[in-house]
Amino acid sequence: AQSVTQLDSQVPVFEEAPVELRCNYSSSVSVYLFWYVQYPNQGLQLLLKYLSGSTLVESINGFEAEFNKSQTSFHLRKPSVHISDTAEYFCAVSETGGGNKLTFGTGTQLKVEL
Amino acid sequence: ETGVTQTPRHLVMGMTNKKSLKCEQHLGHNAMYWYKQSAKKPLELMFVYSLEERVENNSVPSRFSPECPNSSHLFLHLHTLQPEDSALYLCASSQELQGAGGYTFGSGTRLTVV
Repeated sequence: AQSVTQLDSQVPVFEEAPVELRCNYSSSVSVYLFWYVQYPNQGLQLLLKYLSGSTLVESINGFEAEFNKSQTSFHLRKPSVHISDTAEYFCAVSETGGGNKLTFGTGTQLKVEL
Repeated sequence: ETGVTQTPRHLVMGMTNKKSLKCEQHLGHNAMYWYKQSAKKPLELMFVYSLEERVENNSVPSRFSPECPNSSHLFLHLHTLQPEDSALYLCASSQELQGAGGYTFGSGTRLTVV
């Protein structure tokens, strides 16, 4: 069975500063990895995903995440955050091969301050 | 509009009431899910339906009763709930259980049990 750990429950950061949200996973087989974002009073939206190929994946709004197999990590980064990035971010993992569900981390609340 | 629509957005019910949550997707997905999201707790997977058959029930109390009449609709019937059942209930869908495409979530129903 797979598991996901997001060690940081809250990350405060000033606007235009860089940020990294950490995600580590555990699985005995190969995995798909996802980052979801949840804005207040909304559901989760897929931000980006890693399925195979290039280990660096990007979203349309400037976030990127890098799959590191040796460290079993999939950290999310943005070089310069905006107030509108304030939200909760969830890392998720799914084992490849079919018939498996997404397992979510506990989430990291990103709070961008002026 | 995310492609997955949940109604109602907000629901307040007494412990003796009976109510239903509705989820609808027109994405052509064949798997649907109910999640419970409580404050400061991880997302809890409640039920999974694939091709209209329930494939997972994660030890959810019988006061929660799911129904999937077709691949586009999913209901969660509620009766004699407890105050601790107050939470955001999220519906999601995916193309297959494999999860490579990730899940599409609805905006959720905010349930308050009084």
